[in-house]
Amino acid sequence: LAKTTQPISMDSYEGQEVNITCSHNNIATNDYITWYQQFPSQGPRFIIQGYKTKVTNEVASLFIPADRKSSTLSLPRVSLSDTAVYYCLVAPINSYKLIFGSGTRLLVRP
Amino acid sequence: KAGVTQTPRYLIKTRGQQVTLSCSPISGHRSVSWYQQTPGQGLQFLFEYFSETQRNKGNFPGRFSGRQFSNSRSEMNVSTLELGDSALYLCASSLTGAANTEAFFGQGTRLTVV
Repeated sequence: LAKTTQPISMDSYEGQEVNITCSHNNIATNDYITWYQQFPSQGPRFIIQGYKTKVTNEVASLFIPADRKSSTLSLPRVSLSDTAVYYCLVAPINSYKLIFGSGTRLLVRP
Repeated sequence: KAGVTQTPRYLIKTRGQQVTLSCSPISGHRSVSWYQQTPGQGLQFLFEYFSETQRNKGNFPGRFSGRQFSNSRSEMNVSTLELGDSALYLCASSLTGAANTEAFFGQGTRLTVV
């Protein structure tokens, strides 16, 4: 399974756009990229998933360059409630397990 | 629709005892996975079941076991508890368990071994 590397922590302020980049240099052809969000003492929550180019939903955008060796989760206009740990996961379609790395701890300040 | 339900939410056990945790997936979901989360090791995959069959297993000792019933509900069992088993145990359900399907997590069971 592809190894992922993302920043340990990030700080931001309310109303700003936050971009969290994940590196996955050995991503395979049939790997999908998924981001989860986790609040303390809760289970992770799916944010967004993509294979290539750009994906957007009501809460975030995911940018994936052509070589797919990295991906960027973009959170528009964050609020205090976006303070959480964000995990980038890379796995092949036929992998029936999620491998979580250390994640990025995002702190949103007033 | 109802989310993933894990019971109990909190549990305190003594070393050497065994424990059974339960997970009810979202209706229609046939895949159930279990994860252990600790401050030191983070979120680690335990095992995954689909239609009562274990399809994948993480690197945990044989003291950790699970099963899935015909209604997709799942249980995990930990025997001969050790202090290091204290953790948040999370269950996730999805339609197929494949990486391109969304996994829905429960609130978890917080197990404390004393």
